[in-house]
Amino acid sequence: NAGVTQNPKFQVLKTGQSMTLQCAQDMNHNSMYWYRQDPGMGLRLIYYSASEGTTDKGEVPNGYNVSRLNKREFSLRLESAAPSQTSVYFCASSWESSYNEQFFGPGTRLTVL
Amino acid sequence: LAKTTQPISMDSYEGQEVNITCSHNNIATNDYITWYQQFPSQGPRFIIQGYKTKVTNEVASLFIPADRKSSTLSLPRVSLSDTAVYYCLVRDTGRRALTFGSGTRLQVQP
Repeated sequence: NAGVTQNPKFQVLKTGQSMTLQCAQDMNHNSMYWYRQDPGMGLRLIYYSASEGTTDKGEVPNGYNVSRLNKREFSLRLESAAPSQTSVYFCASSWESSYNEQFFGPGTRLTVL
Repeated sequence: LAKTTQPISMDSYEGQEVNITCSHNNIATNDYITWYQQFPSQGPRFIIQGYKTKVTNEVASLFIPADRKSSTLSLPRVSLSDTAVYYCLVRDTGRRALTFGSGTRLQVQP
């Protein structure tokens, strides 16, 4: 099992460009999450999906949109990238949203110039 | 909103036991306490979870007093590979999702 996979691993954007970060899990988990981690900081929740077909805002949702494409895939879209969105983005999944053990992907390092 | 407070950093030497304490004064009745470990350039990894008293697994022990307002992660006989950031979390009852704080940066020296 690959666990949680993320693509791309690295990305450089110019201000105003758009892009979609891809995430997939093969553990049959119901819940999926997107976090961002700025240098030297803890993770902050952007959006999560408690189950297929549902999404909810986290702590820092502004500037992002998400799509729970199916049970396996949860994508994060930046419609108009800003330098403040330079960060490392982690996707995670868990059996249920109320269950504390989350499995994380390797992250996507995004730089917005 | 159940927030956590933990030391910013700790130093230790190989072979020592390390105890990292976390305070969570506003923990809700149904919340569990969870600890994660994060190495540089990697996503966090689940270490241990508990509700009360003591929990032990092959990696660590978790001590939770009766009032549950704090918890202590105990790492026995640390090695250089235990150098990482350790996060204490409680479930955010309002969002049904986890809230990560800034974590404790543990540096293990030879």
